Amino acid sequence: QKEVEQNSGPLSVPEGAIASLNCTYSDRGSQSFFWYRQYSGKSPELIMSIYSNGDKEDGRFTAQLNKASQYVSLLIRDSQPSDSATYLCAAPRTPYSGGGADGLTFGKGTHLIIQP
Amino acid sequence: SAVISQKPSRDICQRGTSLTIQCQVDSQVTMMFWYRQQPGQSLTLIATANQGSEATYESGFVIDKFPISRPNLTFSTLTVSNMSPEDSSIYLCSVELGQVPRGEQYFGPGTRLTVT
Repeated sequence: QKEVEQNSGPLSVPEGAIASLNCTYSDRGSQSFFWYRQYSGKSPELIMSIYSNGDKEDGRFTAQLNKASQYVSLLIRDSQPSDSATYLCAAPRTPYSGGGADGLTFGKGTHLIIQP
Repeated sequence: SAVISQKPSRDICQRGTSLTIQCQVDSQVTMMFWYRQQPGQSLTLIATANQGSEATYESGFVIDKFPISRPNLTFSTLTVSNMSPEDSSIYLCSVELGQVPRGEQYFGPGTRLTVT
């Protein structure tokens, strides 16, 4: 069965530093990956999508995909206390399809704490 | 993006009763998804709802316990039947947006259910 693995943390990072969140996956056929941010008591919010090897940057966020090593990472530069949340890595349940027609598989999430 | 709403936002129910959760989207979508997030856990897909056809349930979830309706392209309901305390969870609906499905899913605010 397809799995997405994350270290549950907590990961504590000082304010202004780079937070690095990692995710590994078991299915080599997976094509796309997503990072969600979930604040306590709130629903997940999509913050990054990545579909090809390499880096994708959006503001302070950079997603990195390495298909050969089967890992995905999320870097948060200039970390702010407002970045404190649980970050969930997800991939489509059907790896060979272009979309999530049959839903997403989520990792357990990494709890990130940005220390002022 | 789209506006996704859920009703109720939370409820406290007695065991043995049923609760119907509504999910409304402000644009037409082909697929809608229902997830469960148990306390301290990640998201687990319950079922996929496609308008005009029976919902597709994941392993461990059955129609008798979680009946789903999808009467049109903007609305779906999930019923949690004959509830027990183990059903206490956050229930989330999600949709995939865009003409070309790429797996990106957007979540409603969730329904926090407590069964006593």
